[in-house]
Amino acid sequence: EADIYQTPRYLVIGTGKKITLECSQTMGHDKMYWYQQDPGMELHLIHYSYGVNSTEKGDLSSESTVSRIRTEHFPLTLESARPSHTSQYLCASSEVRDPLNTEAFFGQGTRLTVV
Amino acid sequence: AQSVTQPDIHITVSEGASLELRCNYSYGATPYLFWYVQSPGQGLQLLLKYFSGDTLVQGIKGFEAEFKRSQSSFNLRKPSVHWSDAAEYFCAVGGKSYSSASKIIFGSGTRLSIRP
Repeated sequence: EADIYQTPRYLVIGTGKKITLECSQTMGHDKMYWYQQDPGMELHLIHYSYGVNSTEKGDLSSESTVSRIRTEHFPLTLESARPSHTSQYLCASSEVRDPLNTEAFFGQGTRLTVV
Repeated sequence: AQSVTQPDIHITVSEGASLELRCNYSYGATPYLFWYVQSPGQGLQLLLKYFSGDTLVQGIKGFEAEFKRSQSSFNLRKPSVHWSDAAEYFCAVGGKSYSSASKIIFGSGTRLSIRP
């Protein structure tokens, strides 16, 4: 069973609020990812990191920001939430050094609703 | 550019019938290929993966997939589906893990419904 955790699972928040979605993994993985997924839709990579102090923007432009100060922690922040940010956010991590184990392990997701 | 195409948005099959979900990829080097399943409101669970060697790979829950380099395909199959297989299925492609530029990119998903 994957050891990657996201909190909160569900969040309803007002427009203009600052929010941080938490993601932690205990597997020592160097790579971590944030995907955005609208209901019934594909996953879009919005941020990824291949180690501490490294972050890259993904294929889908996002107003969110991320940080990677510790290996196990990869929080995502929205400075001012808007209704267009309503979505499910999935965090994942993967191994770097072992080429036979490159699959991503996913958290349960955070469903964000901005009202 | 790296991409994954799942041409079927929604498939309905009868319980006990066979299943094939299609996946085509575009990748500049030898790809690492994955199939994931997602139940409603949940994260994604890995069904199987292909890195090299035997092109027919076995996964969990009775699923298998075949890598066909000439067709750039990695179709998922199951000989007899069960009602519990109803879910969203995602195909994904990635590169060598130790490459910092390597990302895992997902297809748009195929929703599987099971007819009793």
